Amino acid sequence: KQEVTQIPAALSVPEGENLVLNCSFTDSAIYNLQWFRQDPGKGLTSLLLIQSSQREQTSGRLNASLDKSSGRSTLYIAASQPGDSATYLCAVRNDYKLSFGAGTTVTVRA
Amino acid sequence: EAQVTQNPRYLITVTGKKLTVTCSQNMNHEYMSWYRQDPGLGLRQIYYSMNVEVTDKGDVPEGYKVSRKEKRNFPLILESPSPNQTSLYFCASSLRPYTEQYFGPGTRLTVT
Repeated sequence: KQEVTQIPAALSVPEGENLVLNCSFTDSAIYNLQWFRQDPGKGLTSLLLIQSSQREQTSGRLNASLDKSSGRSTLYIAASQPGDSATYLCAVRNDYKLSFGAGTTVTVRA
Repeated sequence: EAQVTQNPRYLITVTGKKLTVTCSQNMNHEYMSWYRQDPGLGLRQIYYSMNVEVTDKGDVPEGYKVSRKEKRNFPLILESPSPNQTSLYFCASSLRPYTEQYFGPGTRLTVT
């Protein structure tokens, strides 16, 4: 069974600092990995989708890397802003199932 | 606007009273799924559907039923809800199983 771990569980940084969020998974036979953002009381918003054949994916200030063989992905957010405060979830696809980590809650202090 | 909708958004009910949470998508997606989110446990998949009339169990299917009679709709049925089913529920859809997932706004269910 796929186990997905996100460390740290919470992170607080001053505005402007770069954010580094980690995700690890136990079964490397994945199809893809997706990063989501969740605001309190809201649904999930897709940020980036990395296919298993890719090493990284970029969108604006966001960059996600994937090392499938070691079972790790990292989400980088450059020049953080207070609006980046949210919970970030990674999800790994095996077959037809999506397994989620518990998330990293980020607070960006103005 | 392309979206996944869920109804109701909030529901308080009593043990044993059957309920249905509806999910609908307007993107002609083949793949749909249901998740529950609990503090400390993250999101866990309840059921998924590859297409009309094709459904399968996720990681936590006990106590739930689903049906997929139309491509756009994927209702979640709790025939005899219990307090341990109190949770935040999300419906999601994607064009194919391995493509980007789009989530609904969530349904907060409380069973007393």
